[in-house]
Amino acid sequence: SQQGEEDPQALSIQEGENATMNCSYKTSINNLQWYRQNSGRGLVHLILIRSNEREKHSGRLRVTLDTSKKSSSLLITASRAADTASYFCATDAHDYKLSFGAGTTVTVRA
Amino acid sequence: SQTIHQWPATLVQPVGSPLSLECTVEGTSNPNLYWYRQAAGRGLQLLFYSVGIGQISSEVPQNLSASRPQDRQFILSSKKLLLSDSGFYLCAWTSPGGDGQYFGPGTRLTVL
Repeated sequence: SQQGEEDPQALSIQEGENATMNCSYKTSINNLQWYRQNSGRGLVHLILIRSNEREKHSGRLRVTLDTSKKSSSLLITASRAADTASYFCATDAHDYKLSFGAGTTVTVRA
Repeated sequence: SQTIHQWPATLVQPVGSPLSLECTVEGTSNPNLYWYRQAAGRGLQLLFYSVGIGQISSEVPQNLSASRPQDRQFILSSKKLLLSDSGFYLCAWTSPGGDGQYFGPGTRLTVL
């Protein structure tokens, strides 16, 4: 079943701007992960944040997690054309499996 | 370093024909393995996962099956394909207790 839901479904920004997308989920989790998928390709793991963490950074990526609201956000700073992709959140609920949302499609305009 | 392979990359099959998609992982041992399907413009649907040789858990009842004949080999099969089986099939692995799943390049299946 699909637990994570991303918002917005699609996002179009100018190169150099920041992109923010959100993920909401329903049940308790062990960790939450964000992935990127370029068109027609496999998913690439970006970052994992554990349930006892509130914020995590990796390069131009910043992820927050609010377990009380069951939500997470992914911020991409200083976006580039190469950031054009679909972004998915996935929740790990202690049972070997990930539940993926439907994704946010990000288009970065040059 | 670890790598994951999937083949074929694309496949066009008639309705009612059999299917066999293969996934292999290199550079790790005893991985957890996963098969997902992605419909166009949608998220991933988990089909099967395996935590060891011969151990398969099915998430969605359907005409697909999976097998794990070797530690680093995961096969997705069907005896008779349906039109609704069309989609993008992704294999992934993770190490037990590891951080994140690592995906193969995918197989695009079109059933006509």
